[in-house]
Amino acid sequence: GDSVTQMEGPVTLSEEAFLTINCTYTATGYPSLFWYVQYPGEGLQLLLKATKADDKGSNKGFEATYRKETTSFHLEKGSVQVSDSAVYFCALSDRGSQGNLIFGKGTKLSVKP
Amino acid sequence: DGGITQSPKYLFRKEGQNVTLSCEQNLNHDAMYWYRQDPGQGLRLIYYSQIVNDFQKGDIAEGYSVSREKKESFPLTVTSAQKNPTAFYLCASRKGMDSPLHFGNGTRLTVT
Repeated sequence: GDSVTQMEGPVTLSEEAFLTINCTYTATGYPSLFWYVQYPGEGLQLLLKATKADDKGSNKGFEATYRKETTSFHLEKGSVQVSDSAVYFCALSDRGSQGNLIFGKGTKLSVKP
Repeated sequence: DGGITQSPKYLFRKEGQNVTLSCEQNLNHDAMYWYRQDPGQGLRLIYYSQIVNDFQKGDIAEGYSVSREKKESFPLTVTSAQKNPTAFYLCASRKGMDSPLHFGNGTRLTVT
């Protein structure tokens, strides 16, 4: 079945460092891809999404490009802030299962001042 | 403002007791979901409902039950048959299949 694999954390960076969190997927069709963020003690919030190949999702300085040839959707940010400390989840929409989302295991990011 | 409300935020129960977690949304979304989150395991789907009076099992439905009598409400009951009920439970909703999920702030259940 469809699946999502994302890099294991935790990831620790200094403020203003460049961030990459890798995400690859396995899917039989053409899923939509998402990045969600979870701050401590809260639910998940949608960060960005892409619905077809070569689409770039972006929000709050974060970007991710839907790469069909490498089945990837890596999350990047040029200069992280302490407030970006959170857990990041990559997800795909499984069209074969009524569009239910399949999540990666999450990557915890800590940004130090 | 529209959103999803989960209550309570923290819940404590003794082993062998059933417990019901509340989830209410005022987003007019058709579909609602329950996920369980455990450290290092991401989110796992328990039950979902695409429409009132209908719901389907997710990947880990054993030991759980749900109802969907109203569009706004999707309560989850954790029964005594659930072997490891202590976890963080998240409720979510969305308008349609290609729409993003909106999440509540979760209920942390501890069973001792």
